[in-house]
Amino acid sequence: DAGVIQSPRHEVTEMGQEVTLRCKPISGHDYLFWYRQTMMRGLELLIYFNNNVPIDDSGMPEDRFSAKMPNASFSTLKIQPSEPRDSAVYFCASSSGTPKSEQYFGPGTRLTVT
Amino acid sequence: GENVEQHPSTLSVQEGDSAVIKCTYSDSASNYFPWYKQELGKRPQLIIDIRSNVGEKKDQRIAVTLNKTAKHFSLHITETQPEDSAVYFCAATLSGSARQLTFGSGTQLTVLP
Repeated sequence: DAGVIQSPRHEVTEMGQEVTLRCKPISGHDYLFWYRQTMMRGLELLIYFNNNVPIDDSGMPEDRFSAKMPNASFSTLKIQPSEPRDSAVYFCASSSGTPKSEQYFGPGTRLTVT
Repeated sequence: GENVEQHPSTLSVQEGDSAVIKCTYSDSASNYFPWYKQELGKRPQLIIDIRSNVGEKKDQRIAVTLNKTAKHFSLHITETQPEDSAVYFCAATLSGSARQLTFGSGTQLTVLP
């Protein structure tokens, strides 16, 4: 298995533009998580899905952020409009429905908003 | 919700010495405690985990201990090597249906040759 796949790996955009981050979880995993990592705030859970359904989005910073999971193999995190303070590394992770609960992280998307 | 505190934020040790990182959690219902290692520019990767029905778990040079009464758990790395240098994160979760991890703030471990 290729592991969790994220694209793009790097994104540089101007303030006000729309940004879409993409994630493909490990096949067979039914939980998908979106995290944001910054020096100031560490690793924060933004939202997670179970069987494509959003379960907890309390970590989503504001209405500019939205996430979807149209099917078991694809999820997007969208920021519209983007702001410089959104600059961070965004990780997607997935896990299976077994008691072990290990989360496998993707390589991350480094977002820079100028 | 769960709150996880991690100490120290930075730790430097001489190669061959031991390193200990400590975490406390707030939710007594938490029962799964993983540790992740993140090398510079890389993704977090699970290195060891422990469940609430176990007090200690070892895997070669790393071990984790859990004190449920005091609500704290620790990572122990013995015979440290330069490749152990990384940021280490503890986390806690209810391993039932929730599965969401609350991470500590991370510890930058530097192993000096």
